[in-house]
Amino acid sequence: DVKVTQSSRYLVKRTGEKVFLECVQDMDHENMFWYRQDPGLGLRLIYFSYDVKMKEKGDIPEGYSVSREKKERFSLILESASTNQTSMYLCASSLSLAGRGGEQFFGPGTRLTVL
Amino acid sequence: LAKTTQPISMDSYEGQEVNITCSHNNIATNDYITWYQQFPSQGPRFIIQGYKTKVTNEVASLFIPADRKSSTLSLPRVSLSDTAVYYCLVGDMGSSYKLIFGSGTRLLVRP
Repeated sequence: DVKVTQSSRYLVKRTGEKVFLECVQDMDHENMFWYRQDPGLGLRLIYFSYDVKMKEKGDIPEGYSVSREKKERFSLILESASTNQTSMYLCASSLSLAGRGGEQFFGPGTRLTVL
Repeated sequence: LAKTTQPISMDSYEGQEVNITCSHNNIATNDYITWYQQFPSQGPRFIIQGYKTKVTNEVASLFIPADRKSSTLSLPRVSLSDTAVYYCLVGDMGSSYKLIFGSGTRLLVRP
């Protein structure tokens, strides 16, 4: 079974703090993704990575950065958290690019609250 | 930027067939259409994927017309445990590769 784990289920941070969200997958997948999920807006892609040290911007990269130093780990960084970044964050991985035949496997999500 | 449109919610009863349609007018030539299911407090889970015509697996069928501008997820004989949010996912025809999820359809199955 593919397993995608996220470092925290719930996180509370203050405005201006630097926040790290960690994601680890155990199936040697090339591709990893970070989404945020908000009511009425569905899932929106923040960044994805198709290889170690490679990254591509998604729909809403502003205010976020990512790091992929190892194949199994993909980190999402909020350099200076703001209240409008309060959301559910979902990590996913896939063997091939998701829109072109690949199935994505999702983690359980991290619910981040920025006060 | 491609945009997908799904109904916000649907109601059904146990044992009925449910069809959920997603519109995706600007789907890219090489992109597949994928449907996911999500329960509360969980990440989405893959249901089915297709490129054109019809695909069937043990849990659902996916119908895609020739122009590929829409797709329909069909769930045969739903049960209470099928109550969930269903998302369609397609690629984007823009210059950079992007994944566009629909805003989801909340399906409620009643006894």
